[in-house]
Amino acid sequence: LAKTTQPISMDSYEGQEVNITCSHNNIATNDYITWYQQFPSQGPRFIIQGYKTKVTNEVASLFIPADRKSSTLSLPRVSLSDTAVYYCLVGAAKAAGNKLTFGGGTRVLVKP
Amino acid sequence: NAGVTQTPKFQVLKTGQSMTLQCAQDMNHEYMSWYRQDPGMGLRLIHYSVGAGITDQGEVPNGYNVSRSTTEDFPLRLLSAAPSQTSVYFCASSPTYRGSGGANEQFFGPGTRLTVL
Repeated sequence: LAKTTQPISMDSYEGQEVNITCSHNNIATNDYITWYQQFPSQGPRFIIQGYKTKVTNEVASLFIPADRKSSTLSLPRVSLSDTAVYYCLVGAAKAAGNKLTFGGGTRVLVKP
Repeated sequence: NAGVTQTPKFQVLKTGQSMTLQCAQDMNHEYMSWYRQDPGMGLRLIHYSVGAGITDQGEVPNGYNVSRSTTEDFPLRLLSAAPSQTSVYFCASSPTYRGSGGANEQFFGPGTRLTVL
């Protein structure tokens, strides 16, 4: 599985947009990029997944440049409840056997 | 659907004791897995199963056993508890992907917080 690098922590304020960039220089052709969110004392929760360009759902957007060596998770207009750890994962269903490898994640703190 | 359930929520063991962490899912998912999360760290895969009767080791399997006799249940057994096994344990499940594409979304349980004295 491709190794990922993301910032350890980020602070933001309510109503701002939060962008978390993940580096994955060794991403393979078949790999997808997946983001999970984890609130304190809870298990991780799937947020979004993409292969290239842009993916948007009701929670977030995922921007992936053409070379796919990085990706950016964008959380629009965050609220206090978005305080969580965000994990970037890279892999493909077949190659990984659906296993996930979690790094340290990015701890996002949203302040009033 | 209850989703993924785990019992107990909290457990304190003494060194050398054994116990079983229970995990069940009612989504008919084929794939199930166990992770541990140490304070301030990401999750590490202990064991996983791609279907009933099939299990395999993950990143940190030592000291743990699993079995998968049914699609619904995937218990994790600690053979002889050690302080290094103090952690939060998460069980997860997902449908097995049969085509190409990204890893299937995994659904996580609420976790079991284990302390070994």
